[in-house]
Parts: sequence; structure tokens; C-alpha cells
Amino acid sequence: GESVGLHLPTLSVQEGDNSIINCAYSNSASDYFIWYKQESGKGPQFIIDIRSNMDKRQGQRVTVLLNKTVKHLSLQIAATQPGDSAVYFCAERSNQFYFGTGTSLTVIP
Amino acid sequence: GAVVSQHPSRVICKSGTSVKIECRSLDFQATTMFWYRQFPKKSLMLMATSNEGSKATYEQGVEKDKFLINHASLTLSTLTVTSAHPEDSSFYICSARGQGSSGELFFGEGSRLTVL
Repeated sequence: GESVGLHLPTLSVQEGDNSIINCAYSNSASDYFIWYKQESGKGPQFIIDIRSNMDKRQGQRVTVLLNKTVKHLSLQIAATQPGDSAVYFCAERSNQFYFGTGTSLTVIP
Repeated sequence: GAVVSQHPSRVICKSGTSVKIECRSLDFQATTMFWYRQFPKKSLMLMATSNEGSKATYEQGVEKDKFLINHASLTLSTLTVTSAHPEDSSFYICSARGQGSSGELFFGEGSRLTVL
């Protein structure tokens, strides 16, 4: 399978601060990327996606940045809340969807 | 958004028995479904890609005879863990690809399999 990995396995942030979660991918042919959030014991939930012809996309409190030159993807969460505590995965699509290692985000009240 | 239902959510079985897990797309048709396996504090590992009406495509290292996948209709894919052993205990998650150009994946809630 393809290599899709995250730089940091854990991240702790204070409530109200911004969070940045990073992801590296290796398949330059991937054309579509998704960030997912997974809470304990549940399936992944879609957060935001971005196509390879874009370098930035914004959602509600979240922004995804794509740097194709260095094959890097990041997820920014503004004003992080306790409910944001979860594991975050990036996934890339070539013919299948492959997931990165995951970053566990803990929000400190 | 689209809904994917997975059943059962938890199953405990004895070693040597077979277990079937169902994945249903409730409000859309899914020509492609994916099965993942997840170990504690680990990422999702793609096991196989299931296409409606054809044989599943398995990832390297995944035993086809061990993990039987059937995608008989556009709304249902099943994963059968045959002759389960304790090492098969895991969290199994299915997903279905939405229609249209986005190809977004919608996930089931997962099935926790415990083999005694």
C-alpha cells in the first residue's frame, strides 16, 4: 500500500487555542485527500476534503492545506474545543483509500 | 450526509466459529465498499475493496479464504471471518464510496469482534 503518515502521534492543546495536525503522503498521483475524526469506539467521521488542484480549503473552524511540492497535508482547527478531542486521520485516494497513522488530539480545558 | 450501517456492532464468538458482519448503505447506492481493520491505537488498515457483482480485491497479506467478502447488491456488502481465532479479534470498519465525482467515503460505526 501507499505510505501516508502523520508526523506526531499525540497533540495536546489548551481549549481556545488553534490546533495544527500534519500528514505526509508519498503517492504523487493521489488526487483527493480527506481528513477524518474518530472518537473512541466509533467509525471515522468526515471532516473536510481537498482535491489536488487546490492548495487550501476552509470549512467551519477547520482549514486544510495541501502542499503538493513536499507532499504534505495539514489540518488546522480554530478555537479548539473539548469536543474536538479525538484521533485524526488523513487519507489519500489513488485507486483505493489509504489512511495515515493518526494523531490523537487532547484538548485541555 | 449519507448513512452507512454496520451490524453487529459487537460480537463475541468461540474460536473456530465463523462470524458475518454486514455493511449497508441506507440512502444511497454504493458500487464500491471498503473493509478496514483497526487495532487499538492504530490506523485503519485496508483489507479489501469490494465491488458490486464482482470478486473483491484483497490487499497484500490479507487471506482471501479467511476473510470472505460478498457484495451482492448495491446496498450490501458482507465480511465473513471464517474459523475465527483470538488473533482475529479486532475492530472491523466498512465504508462506502459516495456517488459523483467527489468519491467521499462514508463509514459505518464499526464492529468489535472478540474471539475467545
